[in-house]
Amino acid sequence: NAGVTQTPKFQVLKTGQSMTLQCAQDMNHNSMYWYRQDPGMGLRLIYYSASEGTTDKGEVPNGYNVSRLNKREFSLRLESAAPSQTSVYFCATPKPGAEATNEKLFFGSGTQLSVL
Amino acid sequence: GENVEQHPSTLSVQEGDSAVIKCTYSDSASNYFPWYKQELGKGPQLIIDIRSNVGEKKDQRIAVTLNKTAKHFSLHITETQPEDSAVYFCAASSGNTPLVFGKGTRLSVIA
Repeated sequence: NAGVTQTPKFQVLKTGQSMTLQCAQDMNHNSMYWYRQDPGMGLRLIYYSASEGTTDKGEVPNGYNVSRLNKREFSLRLESAAPSQTSVYFCATPKPGAEATNEKLFFGSGTQLSVL
Repeated sequence: GENVEQHPSTLSVQEGDSAVIKCTYSDSASNYFPWYKQELGKGPQLIIDIRSNVGEKKDQRIAVTLNKTAKHFSLHITETQPEDSAVYFCAASSGNTPLVFGKGTRLSVIA
């Protein structure tokens, strides 16, 4: 009953390396979101998935790919990491009882990624 | 697309005073306006939200007001306490489109 679980919590990569950020939710909602947070920039949407089998680009999708593995899991992949991708990444899904796919988002605790 | 502006970026208040954070949005079709609180090292947490068919909503010391004509909405925190110190984000969306967030306000409550 953790809500939204993100792994890993911290990661350091070298430029050009690849990695996948994992997100799993037990809120039993169809939609899931990936945001990145940079100082002074707020939260910016990378990709989202309105339901299992569908994914859509957000505001800042370049350099990322996503996979909606099943209803619970939504992963974010960096194929060739760049220093500009140094950020804190948050996964989110609506809380139980949310009336729309974008309401009452519950966020995970985040993944802090540094690309050297 | 939607654009959300948030002011101020930093705010310091004395304990017990009120704090007000303001946001403006650009898309007149937006109909959902949540506020999130983020403590250090944690993910954002929803504290209050309002729909466009309501002008004001209150939950204990927190209230949100919405002015659809002017396209702005505000968060009001009364009787501030040190534990209110955090970064606050506003957001807006229409229909089932994803939330668009403001850039955040760092609130410091000085004891």
